Amino acid sequence: DAKTTQPTSMDCAEGRAANLPCNHSTISGNEYVYWYRQIHSQGPQYIIHGLKNNETNEMASLIITEDRKSSTLILPHATLRDTAVYYCIALNNNDMRFGAGTRLTVKP
Amino acid sequence: DAGITQSPRHKVTETGTPVTLRCHQTENHRYMYWYRQDPGHGLRLIHYSYGVKDTDKGEVSDGYSVSRSKTEDFLLTLESATSSQTSVYFCAISLGGNTGELFFGEGSRLTVL
Repeated sequence: DAKTTQPTSMDCAEGRAANLPCNHSTISGNEYVYWYRQIHSQGPQYIIHGLKNNETNEMASLIITEDRKSSTLILPHATLRDTAVYYCIALNNNDMRFGAGTRLTVKP
Repeated sequence: DAGITQSPRHKVTETGTPVTLRCHQTENHRYMYWYRQDPGHGLRLIHYSYGVKDTDKGEVSDGYSVSRSKTEDFLLTLESATSSQTSVYFCAISLGGNTGELFFGEGSRLTVL
């Protein structure tokens, strides 16, 4: 699986869009990009995934660059409850490996 | 939502004792996983299962064994617990046929003294 690089931490104002970047420059053609988040001590929560095309669901949008070397997770209207660690993962087999992620703090 | 129950949720034990953590799912999902989470290391895969009696090692499998005698239960065993195995253990299942979309349990906090 390709290695991913994310900023250690980010802040976002409540009600504003949170844009979380992820670099996966060594991603292979059959590796999907997955995003999870972990709120405090809870188990990680699946957010969204994509291969080439941009994706949107009720939680977030995923923008993948055309060369697939990076992606951005967008939380359109961040709330205080979105404060969490966000993980970006490149996956093509069953061994999903979580890195350190980005700690997003949503501030009032 | 998929139902996962981990037990025990909290356990304190002594070095050298055997420990078994149980992960129970209420649906017939094929893939099940055990992860551990430690400060500074994030989540690391210990073992996973892709069916009854079908298991494979993950990134940090040394000192752990697993068993899956029926679809709904995935057991993680520490034959002789060590202090380095103090951690929070998460079980996960893969929803549907997409092995990347995992649903995690609430975690089991294990302290080895």
